[in-house]
Amino acid sequence: EPEVTQTPSHQVTQMGQEVILRCVPISNHLYFYWYRQILGQKVEFLVSFYNNEISEKSEIFDDQFSVERPDGSNFTLKIRSTKLEDSAMYFCASKLGQLDNEKLFFGSGTQLSVL
Amino acid sequence: DQQVKQNSPSLSVQEGRISILNCDYTNSMFDYFLWYKKYPAEGPTFLISISSIKDKNEDGRFTVFLNKSAKHLSLHIVPSQPGDSAVYFCAASVRYGNKLVFGAGTILRVKS
Repeated sequence: EPEVTQTPSHQVTQMGQEVILRCVPISNHLYFYWYRQILGQKVEFLVSFYNNEISEKSEIFDDQFSVERPDGSNFTLKIRSTKLEDSAMYFCASKLGQLDNEKLFFGSGTQLSVL
Repeated sequence: DQQVKQNSPSLSVQEGRISILNCDYTNSMFDYFLWYKKYPAEGPTFLISISSIKDKNEDGRFTVFLNKSAKHLSLHIVPSQPGDSAVYFCAASVRYGNKLVFGAGTILRVKS
């Protein structure tokens, strides 16, 4: 079965450093997402991306965050200057159609630890 | 922002018995609800969904019930199996919505 692939599985960084989290969505999917889960809390929506642009973002997704689909297969989340509170599990997700919420596939996540 | 609430952080059930996981929501615009299951070191995977025009949806051992007036849904697993032990997330969206709003999850442990 096709899957969403995320790398790395764990990322440790110093506060203030830039990190890039990488995702390879399922190849024919058109809608891409980043969600995150701070330990013990709910999974939170960060951003959605369609047709090479952000379609929606949450208030968490401030100027320190950016997303890119540089080459038609990868989908990246960049945090320019990490803060301690950015420590979380970050999930990438993709789906084929706008109404395909039942077929929203998640990757296994990148655990980001900011020290 | 607690639009979707799962008030039970954990639930322990004996194998073969029924597991009932509950979820409440506050946003009356939500009209599509999903349950996701998550194992450690994996991403959430879709389990079952229900739209607001229904009050019940069944798929094998899994049934979701929706009570719109109470803004409450529940997931029933019958019979529960040890392999069902996981974190279960309730999620909601508006129709044609672009994002899912998740609850905090309930850890289900099925004891053999």
